Amino acid sequence: NAGVMQNPRHLVRRRGQEARLRCSPVKGHSHVYWYRQLPEEGLKFMVYLQKENIIDESGMPKERFSAEFPKEGPSILRIQQVVRGDSAAYFCASSPRQLGNNSPLHFGNGTRLTVT
Amino acid sequence: DQQVKQNSPSLSVQEGRISILNCDYTNSMFDYFLWYKKYPAEGPTFLISISSIKDKNEDGRFTVFLNKSAKHLSLHIVPSQPGDSAVYFCAASARTGNQFYFGTGTSLTVIP
Repeated sequence: NAGVMQNPRHLVRRRGQEARLRCSPVKGHSHVYWYRQLPEEGLKFMVYLQKENIIDESGMPKERFSAEFPKEGPSILRIQQVVRGDSAAYFCASSPRQLGNNSPLHFGNGTRLTVT
Repeated sequence: DQQVKQNSPSLSVQEGRISILNCDYTNSMFDYFLWYKKYPAEGPTFLISISSIKDKNEDGRFTVFLNKSAKHLSLHIVPSQPGDSAVYFCAASARTGNQFYFGTGTSLTVIP
């Protein structure tokens, strides 16, 4: 009974490269959330997706960041032309239901992105 | 704009005593509240939750209290154990929203 799986656990990129972070939700969960934790800060919402749809991307920077959750396969958070300020822990979470149904999020162990 | 606040960055408690972690929120539309526990290099783990129709929810050693008029919730751990040492995040959501809002966390250290 696997939980949320994220890979890679650690990712090092040079400035200007692309970072691709993968997330496989709990089996049967169709709601995926991405959060970012900067050093010494709390978890900040980035994007909420359902299968093949972006529901809310209000927390995601308008440029360089994109997310998808295709019909088949994991959810992907993509950061193009990374900068040092993108260095953070990126957490994916899933839920079987929409918010408003009193269902907690289940988190993966995160991907720690370091931009050199 | 931080809608969920944890004003104590850290807390130390003796083993066997009670740990009380506090959380304040500003958005009166929040109706579901959660506590997560996080160890270093791991993701947050769901601990306990409470909906706004209740003022208390208990699960073993963990109890969450909600005071809607004060927009305040607290997590009580009793008795505290060394394995409880972790960072605790409170979170809140509104039925009409699309996200959980998290506090900045309180680092709990339980001293053996």
